[in-house]
Amino acid sequence: GESVGLHLPTLSVQEGDNSIINCAYSNSASDYFIWYKQESGKGPQFIIDIRSNMDKRQGQRVTVLLNKTVKHLSLQIAATQPGDSAVYFCAENFPALGYQKVTFGTGTKLQVIP
Amino acid sequence: DAGITQSPRHKVTETGTPVTLRCHQTENHRYMYWYRQDPGHGLRLIHYSYGVKDTDKGEVSDGYSVSRSKTEDFLLTLESATSSQTSVYFCAISENRGGNQPQHFGDGTRLSIL
Repeated sequence: GESVGLHLPTLSVQEGDNSIINCAYSNSASDYFIWYKQESGKGPQFIIDIRSNMDKRQGQRVTVLLNKTVKHLSLQIAATQPGDSAVYFCAENFPALGYQKVTFGTGTKLQVIP
Repeated sequence: DAGITQSPRHKVTETGTPVTLRCHQTENHRYMYWYRQDPGHGLRLIHYSYGVKDTDKGEVSDGYSVSRSKTEDFLLTLESATSSQTSVYFCAISENRGGNQPQHFGDGTRLSIL
């Protein structure tokens, strides 16, 4: 198995139900946020992103919500499927000296129960 | 999927030996990054490149060096590997330096230093 997935918070969801994965970010100056999905033995895969001038963005079966007041990001997955089982983590992007700094969260493991 | 190939995918070596990991991209993206992923930590930036022969340090650069002689290739070298460098290493690419674009990742190299 993927050692990175050990000791992560786990969300168990019944197949067909909706999933909500949460992320608290750290920097109020962050201006761009990304959600990634990482399956065992694979690299992080881009799911959806959102800029700080938006509070909601929808994709195919996924929605990202951004609450800048409390520095909180959430990923909603509709009609969760077994193939959604993976580790999900958020990333925040903020302007630093001379470049854009990206900070990645440690992730939440989503387990889909068939 | 972004055209990113990391090699080798797995490597076991001994303390004190030099190790070079390769990242090859077919997207012609300007920016390339090396990260390490360890349990309990989000992805941590080792080094990044913003063009051929242009590189800079990330947050965990000690013990690592990089080179970029061609747009498509970014090499990470551990001059004298230590057990603390046992990790999963990911290469990422992006077209610009971020702020409105996600980084895309390869599938990683699992490196064990005995």
